[in-house]
Amino acid sequence: QQQVKQSPQSLIVQKGGISIINCAYENTAFDYFPWYQQFPGKGPALLIAIRPDVSEKKEGRFTISFNKSAKQFSLHIMDSQPGDSATYFCAASIGGGGADGLTFGKGTHLIIQP
Amino acid sequence: GAVVSQHPSWVICKSGTSVKIECRSLDFQATTMFWYRQFPKQSLMLMATSNEGSKATYEQGVEKDKFLINHASLTLSTLTVTSAHPEDSSFYICSASDSPNEQFFGPGTRLTVL
Repeated sequence: QQQVKQSPQSLIVQKGGISIINCAYENTAFDYFPWYQQFPGKGPALLIAIRPDVSEKKEGRFTISFNKSAKQFSLHIMDSQPGDSATYFCAASIGGGGADGLTFGKGTHLIIQP
Repeated sequence: GAVVSQHPSWVICKSGTSVKIECRSLDFQATTMFWYRQFPKQSLMLMATSNEGSKATYEQGVEKDKFLINHASLTLSTLTVTSAHPEDSSFYICSASDSPNEQFFGPGTRLTVL
């Protein structure tokens, strides 16, 4: 049972464009929704995270949009740059990001074309 | 920021041998550590959660006698893959937290079993 569904599996965006990655979850007990960036051979690094009491959070070029009723959340990368090329994972957990293990989506391989 | 290290970064071993992977929190005390497994081009799957001084809690389907986890101190957790076989070849990633708010990931360990 996949509790967090992520799409698309791969994405190609032109430099300067907006990259959009979507996730949907099933478990309504989830209350912490982070996005991670992973480069080949490296561990994931936290980009941005949101809790269900807000509908949007922005940090620099990265924005999370959260729709609690639809059980969906998305990552928007504005002004995408070649250095953003990586694999992105959405995740979810119960009780905060550090108290419980994370359930990850399958990942999106993002390529930013110069 | 919070730094988590893993050692070794990669290891090659023969089938039937045991391999130990260390996970250290370098600048904070980790009350909880997590171990994940990632197959090539796939997502991270939580294997187990460990709290300092307590037995690890394993996810369904993870053999606790095969993947031994020890969290003996607030800065060190070890994962021992016993009697490793080629199907155990994977990328093993640990994470650590000192609060309910966030977990910090290590760089991962690439295990290849011949």
